[in-house]
Amino acid sequence: EDQVTQSPEALRLQEGESSSLNCSYTVSGLRGLFWYRQDPGKGPEFLFTLYSAGEEKEKERLKATLTKKESFLHITAPKPEDSATYLCAVRGGGADGLTFGKGTHLIIQP
Amino acid sequence: KAGVTQTPRYLIKTRGQQVTLSCSPISGHRSVSWYQQTPGQGLQFLFEYFSETQRNKGNFPGRFSGRQFSNSRSEMNVSTLELGDSALYLCASKEEGSNQPQHFGDGTRLSIL
Repeated sequence: EDQVTQSPEALRLQEGESSSLNCSYTVSGLRGLFWYRQDPGKGPEFLFTLYSAGEEKEKERLKATLTKKESFLHITAPKPEDSATYLCAVRGGGADGLTFGKGTHLIIQP
Repeated sequence: KAGVTQTPRYLIKTRGQQVTLSCSPISGHRSVSWYQQTPGQGLQFLFEYFSETQRNKGNFPGRFSGRQFSNSRSEMNVSTLELGDSALYLCASKEEGSNQPQHFGDGTRLSIL
């Protein structure tokens, strides 16, 4: 059974204070690790897909990395508008449904 | 391109009733998946449809069912509603290909009284 664990559950940072969110996973036959951002009252918004260990993707202040057991979402010099819940999900072999972690609730204070 | 559209946005039902939720995928997307999101369990996969056929199913009771039409629009039905069915129900669509990301709608908030 595929499993995803995200840490920390919640994180409060000052504006400009860089940090990293962790996503640990176990999956048989990884066919993709996905990062999403979810704002209150909205559906998850797609950020990145990573497929193989060593892969990195960047978008504005966000950078996602992948190893064989975990992924990190690095946030550099965050702004208040980066406040959201960040979700990690994996797609394993044999199914197109995603297995999600419970997310990291990120608050960036001005 | 328009995103994934879910209707209605909010719904209030009572125990024992049934409910049907609707999802229109992004134009050109033939794969549609449904998820249940609750504060305690997070996002959990319900089922996936492709070309009007259920391709995968999560660990939910048979009260949860769905279907997909020839235009790729999908509906989800929950019968004999229970208090624990209160949740945000999310629909996602994607292009064909195992490495394609899913794109989500904003969900239907279902409350059971």
